[in-house]
Amino acid sequence: DAGITQSPRHKVTETGTPVTLRCHQTENHRYMYWYRQDPGHGLRLIHYSYGVKDTDKGEVSDGYSVSRSKTEDFLLTLESATSSQTSVYFCAISDEWGVGYGYTFGSGTRLTVV
Amino acid sequence: AQSVSQHNHHVILSEAASLELGCNYSYGGTVNLFWYVQYPGQHLQLLLKYFSGDPLVKGIKGFEAEFIKSKFSFNLRKPSVQWSDTAEYFCAAHNAGNMLTFGGGTRLMVKP
Repeated sequence: DAGITQSPRHKVTETGTPVTLRCHQTENHRYMYWYRQDPGHGLRLIHYSYGVKDTDKGEVSDGYSVSRSKTEDFLLTLESATSSQTSVYFCAISDEWGVGYGYTFGSGTRLTVV
Repeated sequence: AQSVSQHNHHVILSEAASLELGCNYSYGGTVNLFWYVQYPGQHLQLLLKYFSGDPLVKGIKGFEAEFIKSKFSFNLRKPSVQWSDTAEYFCAAHNAGNMLTFGGGTRLMVKP
């Protein structure tokens, strides 16, 4: 979607290797989120950020870490990838908190851990 | 904890049939409700949202949803579906101070 890009779009990696996914926004939105999408589970929140260097855990944060050194970039790192982390990862941004104006989503990163 | 349930996991309809997808949420306080659509190979896009006021909300592409507070429901409807409506549909809920929580999704296939 315009204003939010994810990279890479597809990645295959081996079990035990570190992986970093990038989310970049040009909307200057304060809030950024990482979700994973799995069949039957919908989207589940991994981590979120409410400002530069301000991050917190979501519902399924084990095995993941994040960093936000600039407003526009939110990185998701799998320290040691496992097969259970094979999923589609979506980044989202929003400019309101606690009111729920809805999020804008990126195009997703399909990660396969073999 | 807040949760969102979508009871229909897969729905198959013929073109021109009417659609209703169920969504129930668990939170009892003030809540904002959303329906998102994900077309094959694409990201999620907002279909419609409810914050307050008229419980019947109209969205894009002829979709509408009705908020029934007493039933904790926010069902999505469309009078006549088209082949291009084939997609996965997600209900989501957001209350003050909490995250946007998604249901498990409903895959809709419309047969031409």
